[in-house]
Amino acid sequence: KAGVTQTPRYLIKTRGQQVTLSCSPISGHRSVSWYQQTPGQGLQFLFEYFSETQRNKGNFPGRFSGRQFSNSRSEMNVSTLELGDSALYLCASSGLSSYNEQFFGPGTRLTVL
Amino acid sequence: AQSVTQLGSHVSVSEGALVLLRCNYSSSVPPYLFWYVQYPNQGLQLLLKYTTGATLVKGINGFEAEFKKSETSFHLTKPSAHMSDAAEYFCAVRENQAGTALIFGKGTTLSVSS
Repeated sequence: KAGVTQTPRYLIKTRGQQVTLSCSPISGHRSVSWYQQTPGQGLQFLFEYFSETQRNKGNFPGRFSGRQFSNSRSEMNVSTLELGDSALYLCASSGLSSYNEQFFGPGTRLTVL
Repeated sequence: AQSVTQLGSHVSVSEGALVLLRCNYSSSVPPYLFWYVQYPNQGLQLLLKYTTGATLVKGINGFEAEFKKSETSFHLTKPSAHMSDAAEYFCAVRENQAGTALIFGKGTTLSVSS
């Protein structure tokens, strides 16, 4: 089975721009979660989608949004980028196994200049 | 709210020595607990998980962890460190039973010297 894929792997943007990151889950997985990883704050949960519906949301401003498509692929969008948005954005997918283990992608490294 | 505390942001051991990475959690409901490893420029890989049942959990690469409810701990151990174990390790608790969102600790960087 192919793993979780994220595109692009690296991205450089400037303040005020917006960005869209993409995540393709493991085939058959319907749950996709997004996390932000920074040296200062560590790993923080952004949101989770299941069957095209947002199921959980972390404590991030409204500039961060996401969506999930019918094929379970997910995108997250960050509008009006700030320097502090520079981070590694990780996507994880889960199947319908008993305890919903999460499988992580390699991440997208976003740098905001 | 659930939370995770990893004691020690940096642990250094010699090759062949015991590895002990500490994790304490806070949860008002029976937790699901996880240990992940992250190598440079990569995503997270699951080492092991505790859900229910046996409190001593064995994972990949010779790692194991013991769930101790009375101490609210889930420490990760490995009897003999290898150079390849050098990485960052994260303890996580599942936030709620309705979803899969994880709350992570700040991470512990493990260094292994020869």
